[in-house]
Amino acid sequence: QKEVEQNSGPLSVPEGAIASLNCTYSDRGSQSFFWYRQYSGKSPELIMFIYSNGDKEDGRFTAQLNKASQYVSLLIRDSQPSDSATYLCAVARQAGTALIFGKGTTLSVSS
Amino acid sequence: GAVVSQHPSRVICKSGTSVKIECRSLDFQATTMFWYRQFPKQSLMLMATSNEGSKATYEQGVEKDKFLINHASLTLSTLTVTSAHPEDSSFYICSARRVDRLTDTQYFGPGTRLTVL
Repeated sequence: QKEVEQNSGPLSVPEGAIASLNCTYSDRGSQSFFWYRQYSGKSPELIMFIYSNGDKEDGRFTAQLNKASQYVSLLIRDSQPSDSATYLCAVARQAGTALIFGKGTTLSVSS
Repeated sequence: GAVVSQHPSRVICKSGTSVKIECRSLDFQATTMFWYRQFPKQSLMLMATSNEGSKATYEQGVEKDKFLINHASLTLSTLTVTSAHPEDSSFYICSARRVDRLTDTQYFGPGTRLTVL
């Protein structure tokens, strides 16, 4: 079983819709969870981090964490064409340790 | 967010030469930096963890004598690809760990695209 799994997509949503991106992880001891956005040819950009169970909202983005189910998700409300990118889920066993990345989900938002 | 720079952004070199890539945290001090490599259409793969003032920790399968890492200050880590070969052509990305009262996160540099001819 891979450490961090994401559906590679592509996930296609129309402009204005909600995009839902999912991620599961295998290490139950993981403590920190991150979502990064990566445009083609660019390095990852941090969108959200979440440490505790529940929801965390920041603008149009909401991260959801369920440690019992080893599941973390990212919701993007009012999706825009500029949100089209690959979204990487990353997990760290302890704060400050290296991130383990999923392979990413490609999101395509059509206008 | 925090600012991390990398230099150069792109480099083309001949096989057998060495290439140095710099990673700098511009507005914070980073005791820990990480070096990743990303091949086309693949995810980031951790190469090594760089700690200021101590030897880097390399991931399994990464040759420490080929990928030399130096973290001489709290704002600078360097990766030197020695005797580069075409199979070393990749996108090299560093990240720097930023710790403050509420968060412990990593911020990525813009990456260095290495092409070895």
